[in-house]
Amino acid sequence: ILNVEQSPQSLHVQEGDSTNFTCSFPSSNFYALHWYRWETAKSPEALFVMTLNGDEKKKGRISATLNTKEGYSYLYIKGSQPEDSATYLCAFAGSARQLTFGSGTQLTVLP
Amino acid sequence: SAVISQKPSRDICQRGTSLTIQCQVDSQVTMMFWYRQQPGQSLTLIATANQGSEATYESGFVIDKFPISRPNLTFSTLTVSNMSPEDSSIYLCSVEGGLGETQYFGPGTRLLVL
Repeated sequence: ILNVEQSPQSLHVQEGDSTNFTCSFPSSNFYALHWYRWETAKSPEALFVMTLNGDEKKKGRISATLNTKEGYSYLYIKGSQPEDSATYLCAFAGSARQLTFGSGTQLTVLP
Repeated sequence: SAVISQKPSRDICQRGTSLTIQCQVDSQVTMMFWYRQQPGQSLTLIATANQGSEATYESGFVIDKFPISRPNLTFSTLTVSNMSPEDSSIYLCSVEGGLGETQYFGPGTRLLVL
């Protein structure tokens, strides 16, 4: 059974604050690490797919880093806005290419 | 990318009944996936549905409880049979974007079993 863990489980920040979350995953049989944003009543939205150790990806105010050797990824949000409030999911894809999800970090940005 | 719709978006059901969830994709795809998220838990893969063959179920999920149909390359259904309150979850379908690409998800079906 693959173990994908995310921390913290939930987070409240003030508008304008920067924040980051952690995803830890198995360091063996690594194929890709996915990040999604999931707002209530909407489809999970893909943010990043990361495949290479040392990868850094950026999309607007959101960025992510990847360390496959130690099995972790960080997601950063710079200058959080209320519209960033969502659950952020990471998912590990091993050699089987199936996704194993963490339980998510629920972010609330307070105006 | 793929646009995926699901029906119903939510339902409240009585224990012992069954509910069929529909998933429609705007393009032809080989593999479709069904997930569920129980309250406070991770998204968990139920099964993979390929057109023209039996669905492949993950450990802990069986065909009698979660029968799946895949009649063509754009459509699939998942039935939650003989429901109990433990089946209260969000059920999502998804499709693969391609090797190394993301998966695209439907908006989910929110099921409450009383």
